[in-house]
Amino acid sequence: GAVVSQHPSWVICKSGTSVKIECRSLDFQATTMFWYRQFPKQSLMLMATSNEGSKATYEQGVEKDKFLINHASLTLSTLTVTSAHPEDSSFYICSARDVEGGSYEQYFGPGTRLTVT
Amino acid sequence: SQQGEEDPQALSIQEGENATMNCSYKTSINNLQWYRQNSGRGLVHLILIRSNEREKHSGRLRVTLDTSKKSSSLLITASRAADTASYFCATTFGGANSKLTFGKGITLSVRP
Repeated sequence: GAVVSQHPSWVICKSGTSVKIECRSLDFQATTMFWYRQFPKQSLMLMATSNEGSKATYEQGVEKDKFLINHASLTLSTLTVTSAHPEDSSFYICSARDVEGGSYEQYFGPGTRLTVT
Repeated sequence: SQQGEEDPQALSIQEGENATMNCSYKTSINNLQWYRQNSGRGLVHLILIRSNEREKHSGRLRVTLDTSKKSSSLLITASRAADTASYFCATTFGGANSKLTFGKGITLSVRP
């Protein structure tokens, strides 16, 4: 299957600083990427849908000024958590959809564990 | 909001036994996908079944879909300790930008 990478896999930052997470589709082009957040023992909650070359679409309750998303190319999307606070500590997972051939299979990155101290 | 509801929420079986997990959803779908997540890791795509399909196989996995009942099941045959993980069903409806909506997940424990 297709491969999606994320970097970094884990990060610890101080409250008030910003953190950037990269998501790359390695062997396919993804016009659409998705960012999820997952708390311990819970399911994934969609934060935003990222489209290459246009503004991201945020889910209700997600602050767009706090979670900046940039989808600069067909293989790269970034999520920047600005002015991070301890409550932003979570597991962030990106995914990319391979729509070639109409399969719509969605592949996920390995996740980024963010801890804000 | 989440659409899928998996059943049971937790399942513990002996190695070698079969594991059956169910998922129900509420709205129309284009397809339904099953994913596995090992603790602290990302999701691994297991299988996709389209709304016009009723059954699909992949190795030890068998997925069924009943659109009239809005439900799907995932069967893992001859389970192994390595199958221990959380399993999620997720649905999409719409075009290429449609959202993947996840259920709450099932925690499967396979005892060696």
